Amino acid sequence: EAQVTQNPRYLITVTGKKLTVTCSQNMNHEYMSWYRQDPGLGLRQIYYSMNVEVTDKGDVPEGYKVSRKEKRNFPLILESPSPNQTSLYFCASSFLGLGVSAGELFFGEGSRLTVL
Amino acid sequence: AQSVAQPEDQVNVAEGNPLTVKCTYSVSGNPYLFWYVQYPNRGLQFLLKYITGDNLVKGSYGFEAEFNKSQTSFHLKKPSALVSDSALYFCAVRDRSDSNYQLIWGAGTKLIIKP
Repeated sequence: EAQVTQNPRYLITVTGKKLTVTCSQNMNHEYMSWYRQDPGLGLRQIYYSMNVEVTDKGDVPEGYKVSRKEKRNFPLILESPSPNQTSLYFCASSFLGLGVSAGELFFGEGSRLTVL
Repeated sequence: AQSVAQPEDQVNVAEGNPLTVKCTYSVSGNPYLFWYVQYPNRGLQFLLKYITGDNLVKGSYGFEAEFNKSQTSFHLKKPSALVSDSALYFCAVRDRSDSNYQLIWGAGTKLIIKP
């Protein structure tokens, strides 16, 4: 089954404790992206990647890091989480060309993060 | 600045009635236009898109959307609403000239279908 898998789905942590949210897709997509969703603000892009070893900042990259060492994986790293990073996070992927140019992103189920 | 507006935070419709979820946009060039749906506790799912051609686009679950270039709108419609259509709906736009394939998202509209 084609899917984007995120882990963990739910996490409560404390300020300053490094954490990683993993994202893996099994569709051989070149493009991957991380979003955060906050009430009234819609989706805001954190980082995206057009291919292995190629990453770029989105609209709200501060406080986050990403890496793309393999095509299927795109982990989101919070080196020193703060309460303002409490949010619902989504990973998404797509083919470049027809896929991304047509905007057909495939989303994971989301990771709800609470930073105390 | 490029932007997408969904002017209604929430839309309430009785089951069986037609529904419309509004979206207007502002982009510098010709747009690609999309609708996504998010069911409770789920990720977003692609619903439909406008790339070129016929201004009326048909998508999943009986939804359709009409591209209106003069009004810069892409409203989502369905002739007869179902309770199961209750969800959060997002409009998104991409400028065709954007080589980074970035989507600009609306804030979302919560659709509530009452039995």
